[in-house]
Amino acid sequence: DTEVTQTPKHLVMGMTNKKSLKCEQHMGHRAMYWYKQKAKKPPELMFVYSYEKLSINESVPSRFSPECPNSSLLNLHLHALQPEDSALYLCASSQVPNAGVLNSPLHFGNGTRLTVT
Amino acid sequence: KQEVTQIPAALSVPEGENLVLNCSFTDSAIYNLQWFRQDPGKGLTSLLLIQSSQREQTSGRLNASLDKSSGRSTLYIAASQPGDSATYLCAVSTNNLFFGTGTRLTVIP
Repeated sequence: DTEVTQTPKHLVMGMTNKKSLKCEQHMGHRAMYWYKQKAKKPPELMFVYSYEKLSINESVPSRFSPECPNSSLLNLHLHALQPEDSALYLCASSQVPNAGVLNSPLHFGNGTRLTVT
Repeated sequence: KQEVTQIPAALSVPEGENLVLNCSFTDSAIYNLQWFRQDPGKGLTSLLLIQSSQREQTSGRLNASLDKSSGRSTLYIAASQPGDSATYLCAVSTNNLFFGTGTRLTVIP
């Protein structure tokens, strides 16, 4: 079983809906990540939080809004998405990179399969 | 920008065979390299992490090597089993984690 828990496992939403993806970890990690993965493609980094502060935003459209309410939780708020945003959204956690260098393994959740209609 | 390529894209082998998966990267200024496994519709599981100063890492039937200067890594799986069937991804760490394109492995009973 994965130590990073993501809910829901599946989500279908219309383009006018507002929904949120949730991620929780209890490994004491202070770095958390959101990745997007399209079918048969590698994961693409979206956001990184270190010590509950946003440290990296990979030019993600504002219809995706991350939030890190505490050291164990990471949310991704979704609003006015497009059909091309349909993908597997993966959350990951790790020890905080040292001087920007990630030297510890990333632990991934099983993802949320998002379909935008 | 770092580009990470994995060859082959797909591989089918009979059970019990030893196999090698390849990963190449264009910028050798990496801090480390990780190998992950991904089952269909699931997240990624970290298998091995090799620091840039290391040449190889072993975990059970898995052995990963790193030749940083030539921009290559290999994942060796000994005595393959049907449960090894999955997609294997390598990822190199610079200021970000760059994932390879993946190798989809099928081990035939």
